[in-house]
Amino acid sequence: TQLLEQSPQFLSIQEGENLTVYCNSSSVFSSLQWYRQEPGEGPVLLVTVVTGGEVKKLKRLTFQFGDARKDSSLHITAAQPGDTGLYLCAGPRNAGNNRKLIWGLGTSLAVNP
Amino acid sequence: SQTIHQWPATLVQPVGSPLSLECTVEGTSNPNLYWYRQAAGRGLQLLFYSVGIGQISSEVPQNLSASRPQDRQFILSSKKLLLSDSGFYLCAWDRERNQPQHFGDGTRLSIL
Repeated sequence: TQLLEQSPQFLSIQEGENLTVYCNSSSVFSSLQWYRQEPGEGPVLLVTVVTGGEVKKLKRLTFQFGDARKDSSLHITAAQPGDTGLYLCAGPRNAGNNRKLIWGLGTSLAVNP
Repeated sequence: SQTIHQWPATLVQPVGSPLSLECTVEGTSNPNLYWYRQAAGRGLQLLFYSVGIGQISSEVPQNLSASRPQDRQFILSSKKLLLSDSGFYLCAWDRERNQPQHFGDGTRLSIL
């Protein structure tokens, strides 16, 4: 069974600090997606990583896909209150015609001013 | 550009009452459509997905049903709501496998 485990579950930091959250699996994924969800809204895609070892940057956010494509990390530099939200990772299920995504449970981030 | 609309935003219903949540997508055709439930700001549980009109796949046995009467319309229903049906319901669409999903703003359902 493919699972995505995210850690930590909760994180509360002060504005200006750096942080890293993780998305791990024992299974290989063809790609992984990272979403951010704010309270009362649907998740919004941040990035998709496809190639093992790939690094993508989105302003202060750096995403990395593990060489073996079993894990990914999100690093935020100089966090701001606007970064507060639930960070979810998701990956496509490894089945022929299956369109379902496997979702992690998320990391809930609070950045305090 | 594509947009997804979901309503109502919030709903308070008594136990045993019926339910109908609607989701529509604009600006694309033949989307894959999904209904998720999210508990307490955590992960997403897939309830139903549809790859075309009238085609519904159910992920977990439950008190809910889904229908797709038109290409870009997806409806989540129940004949009699249970307390355990409370939660945050999200509709989403995508075009192809491995493509990111696009979500509506969700419906907060409270059962009293």
